[in-house]
Amino acid sequence: AQTVTQSQPEMSVQEAETVTLSCTYDTSESDYYLFWYKQPPSRQMILVIRQEAYKQQNATENRFSVNFQKAAKSFSLKISDSQLGDAAMYFCALGAQKLVFGQGTRLTINP
Amino acid sequence: GAVVSQHPSRVICKSGTSVKIECRSLDFQATTMFWYRQFPKQSLMLMATSNEGSKATYEQGVEKDKFLINHASLTLSTLTVTSAHPEDSSFYICSARSLTSGVFSYEQYFGPGTRLTVT
Repeated sequence: AQTVTQSQPEMSVQEAETVTLSCTYDTSESDYYLFWYKQPPSRQMILVIRQEAYKQQNATENRFSVNFQKAAKSFSLKISDSQLGDAAMYFCALGAQKLVFGQGTRLTINP
Repeated sequence: GAVVSQHPSRVICKSGTSVKIECRSLDFQATTMFWYRQFPKQSLMLMATSNEGSKATYEQGVEKDKFLINHASLTLSTLTVTSAHPEDSSFYICSARSLTSGVFSYEQYFGPGTRLTVT
């Protein structure tokens, strides 16, 4: 079975600062993908960033980057220059054909 | 970008009645659609996977006869909650995977969700 664990139920950061959200996972698959999704109060799921497991290079999307440690089965999300609009629930997800989601981390941005 | 819609966005029904939720891919063809359930302040739980023209595959613990899924075309999947009870009240989210997504074929595009309240 595939599992995803987010050990930080809540995080807060000052606007313009950097924050890192943690995610660990377990899978017996050799080919899989990892995702970070953002769910704002509207509850629309928004893809933030994705990582193919076979790629060693960490994915980056503007202010968002990941630290993918395959051997440790760790997939953390770093948000640089935090903005008020980044406040949301963040879900780490694992899968290929279907996704397994972590419990989520609620991120608060303090002005 | 790929857009997925859901209708209705909110629905209230009486206990014992059935309610249908539609999920449409608006600008792409979806070979596979997924239905999730999300309780307040919790994560998304996959209920079932549906492929166009075939029977849905349900996750363990999901009642097939209560949650009827039909994926009749490459742009439409429906979830019918039959004989709804208050414990079925939840937020239901669908997602769709594109037939041809370019380089990345496993990305899912999510609908805005439907809030179901059973009274």
